[in-house]
Amino acid sequence: KAGVTQTPRYLIKTRGQQVTLSCSPISGHRSVSWYQQTPGQGLQFLFEYFSETQRNKGNFPGRFSGRQFSNSRSEMNVSTLELGDSALYLCASSLGGHSSGGTDTQYFGPGTRLTVL
Amino acid sequence: AQSVTQLGSHVSVSEGALVLLRCNYSSSVPPYLFWYVQYPNQGLQLLLKYTTGATLVKGINGFEAEFKKSETSFHLTKPSAHMSDAAEYFCAVSEWGNTPLVFGKGTRLSVIA
Repeated sequence: KAGVTQTPRYLIKTRGQQVTLSCSPISGHRSVSWYQQTPGQGLQFLFEYFSETQRNKGNFPGRFSGRQFSNSRSEMNVSTLELGDSALYLCASSLGGHSSGGTDTQYFGPGTRLTVL
Repeated sequence: AQSVTQLGSHVSVSEGALVLLRCNYSSSVPPYLFWYVQYPNQGLQLLLKYTTGATLVKGINGFEAEFKKSETSFHLTKPSAHMSDAAEYFCAVSEWGNTPLVFGKGTRLSVIA
């Protein structure tokens, strides 16, 4: 079974621009979560989508947004980029149903490395 | 609120020596605990997880971890380090269901020949 895929793998943008990152989950997984990884703050949760609805949200400004499509693929968008948005953005997928309880393991993609100049 | 503390941002061991990476957590409910490994320029790979049941959990690549509720710990061990184990290791906790993972700051493991 194919793993989580993320495109593009690398991006370079300038301040003020916007960017869209894409994530394709493992087949059959309905939940997609996004995390930001930086050297200073470590791994921080951005948001989670399940069945096209945002189910959980982390503590990030409104410039960070996302969506999920009917095929479970997800995109995240960052508007008005700032230097501090430079990071590795990781997507994780899981089965997502509440019946799976605590055994709902998240599987991560390789990430998109965003550099803001 | 949940939190995870990983003691030691960098651990160095000799090849063949015991690997011990420490993780302590806080959670208001029985936690679900995970260890992930990250190799350079890659995403996170699941090593092992604790949900319920047996407190000694075996994972991939010879790693194992023991859940100790009384010590709120979930330390990761491997009897004999290999050069290929050099990577960053993250401990994570989540509460019931589909709550987001809360990660520790990570421990970089170096293996010396």
